[in-house]
Amino acid sequence: QVQLVESGGGVVQPGRSLRLSCAASGFTFSTYAMHWVRQAPGKGLEWMAVILYDGSNKYYADSVKGRFTISRDNSKNTLYLQMSSLRAEDTAVYYCAREGYSGYDLCCWGQGTLVTVSS
Amino acid sequence: QSALTQPASVSGSPGQSITISCTGTSSDVGSYNLVSWYQQHPGKAPKLMIYEGSKRPSGVSNRFSGSKSGNTASLTISGLQAEDEGDYYCCSYAGSNTYVFGTGTKVTVL
Repeated sequence: QVQLVESGGGVVQPGRSLRLSCAASGFTFSTYAMHWVRQAPGKGLEWMAVILYDGSNKYYADSVKGRFTISRDNSKNTLYLQMSSLRAEDTAVYYCAREGYSGYDLCCWGQGTLVTVSS
Repeated sequence: QSALTQPASVSGSPGQSITISCTGTSSDVGSYNLVSWYQQHPGKAPKLMIYEGSKRPSGVSNRFSGSKSGNTASLTISGLQAEDEGDYYCCSYAGSNTYVFGTGTKVTVL
């Protein structure tokens, strides 16, 4: 079965960087687009970024464009999110998700990893 | 990329039907039949309930149905059950390989 496991979250100071990972298993990772979605404490879901199956193209929400970079290593079945210039408002649970049935939905989600930006 | 608008809360008694609306614009919901709906229980990851506006993934109860009219998509839960309590989010493709989520709706079973 599809399994996505995020890691790399923690407490980080404002202005610093952090890299999240998402280890995928149970499907052919290299054939699916992958997304990052975040959820601030007590708030709603926010789509952040998508990377196509081969890593050739990446797209971002305006809120993180220029600060966050999505990438993948298909040889390691792993998705990444490099976050820089972190701000307090980036505090959230970060989920990775796989594209689903239509290519425009998110069928499968990880359990999330919490990032807290605080001094 | 403004969030789609959903009612903050909807409630109903067991066995009743409820409908959650999701209002966007002609640039997202109105332009594509690519709205998906997600259920989220406290402390858990979201779960896909509807994709392409009205299609159900395998394993999702047929009590869940989706539709769209103009710039507004809707999720209907019929035969409401206690396990349906939780938060529900719509999400629409917004063009140029970007997506936008709704503000979320808390469903309460009375």
